[in-house]
Amino acid sequence: GQQLNQSPQSMFIQEGEDVSMNCTSSSIFNTWLWYKQDPGEGPVLLIALYKAGELTSNGRLTAQFGITRKDSFLNISASIPSDVGIYFCAGRRETSGSRLTFGEGTQLTVNP
Amino acid sequence: GAVVSQHPSRVICKSGTSVKIECRSLDFQATTMFWYRQFPKQSLMLMATSNEGSKATYEQGVEKDKFLINHASLTLSTLTVTSAHPEDSSFYICSPYNGGTEAFFGQGTRLTVV
Repeated sequence: GQQLNQSPQSMFIQEGEDVSMNCTSSSIFNTWLWYKQDPGEGPVLLIALYKAGELTSNGRLTAQFGITRKDSFLNISASIPSDVGIYFCAGRRETSGSRLTFGEGTQLTVNP
Repeated sequence: GAVVSQHPSRVICKSGTSVKIECRSLDFQATTMFWYRQFPKQSLMLMATSNEGSKATYEQGVEKDKFLINHASLTLSTLTVTSAHPEDSSFYICSPYNGGTEAFFGQGTRLTVV
């Protein structure tokens, strides 16, 4: 089962607003990955994080690897309608090899 | 990012028939293939892990005789849903892996069993 707590489950925002979502766990992770999934499509990688404290940007997206290695957040600035979709965090635990653990997802709706 | 091709994107089959889903890594060699299943409004659930040339390892609750996985080459893996029933209707996603730090996914296959 899932061991990553992702919040919020859903967000309804106005175009232009900033968005923040996060994932937490009781386990230590050595990699954090953030994905976006559009309806009927597979997840697409947005940002990958490899070190505690790392802050990485990809356009209007910024994600950070928590210092404790048990959490990560994703921010989206100045949202636009095409940001609509489901965002998933995923991580690799120290003890799980190549296997990924997924968050439950955040459904983002952007109103024009 | 890596290029993954999953086919078909959608399939409708009759109950009792079998369906094969293909997953290809087009620009890298996948030593490992992960197969996921996703129900509406839920996250991805790992079904099985296969290493090239070896038998797949299935997650608890996943029937290995129903979901046959073949990973005969480093660029191709197939998932066959045998004797499909309506409860097998779902979104299936592959993820070929080459030991790197990132993970990439296929486009997914929407299976509908009628």
